[in-house]
Amino acid sequence: NAGVTQTPKFQVLKTGQSMTLQCAQDMNHEYMSWYRQDPGMGLRLIHYSVGAGITDQGEVPNGYNVSRSTTEDFPLRLLSAAPSQTSVYFCASSYLGLSSGNTIYFGEGSWLTVV
Amino acid sequence: AQKITQTQPGMFVQEKEAVTLDCTYDTSDPSYGLFWYKQPSSGEMIFLIYQGSYDQQNATEGRYSLNFQKARKSANLVISASQLGDSAMYFCAMRPPSRTSYDKVIFGPGTSLSVIP
Repeated sequence: NAGVTQTPKFQVLKTGQSMTLQCAQDMNHEYMSWYRQDPGMGLRLIHYSVGAGITDQGEVPNGYNVSRSTTEDFPLRLLSAAPSQTSVYFCASSYLGLSSGNTIYFGEGSWLTVV
Repeated sequence: AQKITQTQPGMFVQEKEAVTLDCTYDTSDPSYGLFWYKQPSSGEMIFLIYQGSYDQQNATEGRYSLNFQKARKSANLVISASQLGDSAMYFCAMRPPSRTSYDKVIFGPGTSLSVIP
């Protein structure tokens, strides 16, 4: 009963380093997305995907890359970490469509600090 | 472009009383879905309630109900009989019709609710 699994849970990076946040879901969801959460800003959409091979930018895509080679996985890459990317990152997934059953499921969050 | 507004950064409510958390949205799509999520201090995102724009009745889930006013573009969350465990951040979210160029689920900035014993 894994749901949405994201790793690592905590990470400290130095400015300029690169890293990948992993996200996997086992519910065969078409939709996957990455959000960052900063105090007073809510959850802001970084990138999202509506299926394998299809990705698009969200509200704050700069400095991040994504790919979707399989339905299950949606990694988020920080190309050259900056202190402004210190945040809590959430991966989320759901079926597409406007049905009441299409709840958005979230991972537990990844706390990233860039020093 | 879609936008979610939650104008109450912080709210207080007495235990056992009802509270309304405001959410207004902006979209040009005629159909959309609206969600409310709860985030306690432990950090996880907990789904509370969903309202489809063409649903005939306002959604209810236990102590949660959604006061949906489509013409006003508002989707306020009502929590009845508040409990101490309701103290948390609450986020309103919206998703457009699927398989469009703009299939983005966006969230508002959130409202922090504190329940006072």
